[in-house]
Amino acid sequence: DTAVSQTPKYLVTQMGNDKSIKCEQNLGHDTMYWYKQDSKKFLKIMFSYNNKELIINETVPNRFSPKSPDKAHLNLHINSLELGDSAVYFCASSQGEESSPLHFGNGTRLTVT
Amino acid sequence: GQNIDQPTEMTATEGAIVQINCTYQTSGFNGLFWYQQHAGEAPTFLSYNVLDGLEEKGRFSSFLSRSKGYSYLLLKELQMKDSASYLCAAMDSNYQLIWGAGTKLIIKP
Repeated sequence: DTAVSQTPKYLVTQMGNDKSIKCEQNLGHDTMYWYKQDSKKFLKIMFSYNNKELIINETVPNRFSPKSPDKAHLNLHINSLELGDSAVYFCASSQGEESSPLHFGNGTRLTVT
Repeated sequence: GQNIDQPTEMTATEGAIVQINCTYQTSGFNGLFWYQQHAGEAPTFLSYNVLDGLEEKGRFSSFLSRSKGYSYLLLKELQMKDSASYLCAAMDSNYQLIWGAGTKLIIKP
């Protein structure tokens, strides 16, 4: 009965490859997010989706593309991976109201070699 | 620009009390969150403040002063399991969260 689940937990790949990270939430939340946490531990918002519409798209490279087949899923696809993409990627969801807390998945540690 | 400041690391003793401070500068303000993140795990929600004052939840309390752009998280009766990073995040006028880098709290026996 995991609330927010993302797979895989670890991803090791070579530069130039394309990879996807999947995320699903069973909380019935309206909004889902992708965050990147770098080695300095800052959490940086990448994307959020509300009812399948992109509502935040920060200045991330267009090699990153979110895909939401339905309200419960928000996958992250990354093309032409670079060394600097190595980080932990967290999926999260919330009810969408300002006071609603984020519920995070367990993270995907991406290592690009 | 928008900014969150919190200490990088703090050390405290088991059973004691510790206060983790956070100052914020945002374009507008719609509340402040505290999250706990154990090493290698996901952040988990601790508290939300939007009005001035103290909110208490068991051993954890969170305080907000909007006029000073200041918040703190107070942890009482510290336990070894409280060793973690504590993230402060302020919500701006566009309802976007601005995150601090987190305070790593080390608890010693």
